[in-house]
Amino acid sequence: NAGVTQTPKFRVLKTGQSMTLLCAQDMNHEYMYWYRQDPGMGLRLIHYSVGEGTTAKGEVPDGYNVSRLKKQNFLLGLESAAPSQTSVYFCASSFRPLQETQYFGPGTRLLVL
Amino acid sequence: AQSVTQLDSHVSVSEGTPVLLRCNYSSSYSPSLFWYVQHPNKGLQLLLKYTSAATLVKGINGFEAEFKKSETSFHLTKPSAHMSDAAEYFCVVSEGTYKYIFGTGTRLKVLA
Repeated sequence: NAGVTQTPKFRVLKTGQSMTLLCAQDMNHEYMYWYRQDPGMGLRLIHYSVGEGTTAKGEVPDGYNVSRLKKQNFLLGLESAAPSQTSVYFCASSFRPLQETQYFGPGTRLLVL
Repeated sequence: AQSVTQLDSHVSVSEGTPVLLRCNYSSSYSPSLFWYVQHPNKGLQLLLKYTSAATLVKGINGFEAEFKKSETSFHLTKPSAHMSDAAEYFCVVSEGTYKYIFGTGTRLKVLA
């Protein structure tokens, strides 16, 4: 039981390049989330999904897209990376939303030059 | 609207002394409250959560937190700090939806 895994662990991009971050969970959770963590700001929600085939915007969605084609996977895409997207990205999942513990992956460190 | 304030960005304690990490929240409803810990270059791990049962919540690794509605606080404590407790701690509030509101974190340093 691996929990929540993220690929890649670290990536360097040039401005304008695109990439996809992959999140996978093996706990059969319905809800999945993408956050970004910046110094002094805690974690902020980018997008989330309440089930296979559904996604919704979070607090800071601009510049990102997501897809949830399979229940266990949640992809975060950057179509045209900008230096402001330099951050650490965390994926999380939970079985239900109400008062429910979220389980976090180990993070992806992204540097955009 | 929900909000979370972690009152100290950095806390230093000596090994073997008590730990107090302070968290105040604002919520319109009966919230759920969580404390997560993040060790360097790692993901977040749940320490404990409050979901309207007992107001004193015990978590992993000897941590506990007390929900005080009158003070809108949810402070995290541990009687005796260990070197392995050095990490960043996040207080989180949720009002029964998917949405977590994170505090800005408190970095705990444990001195030998």
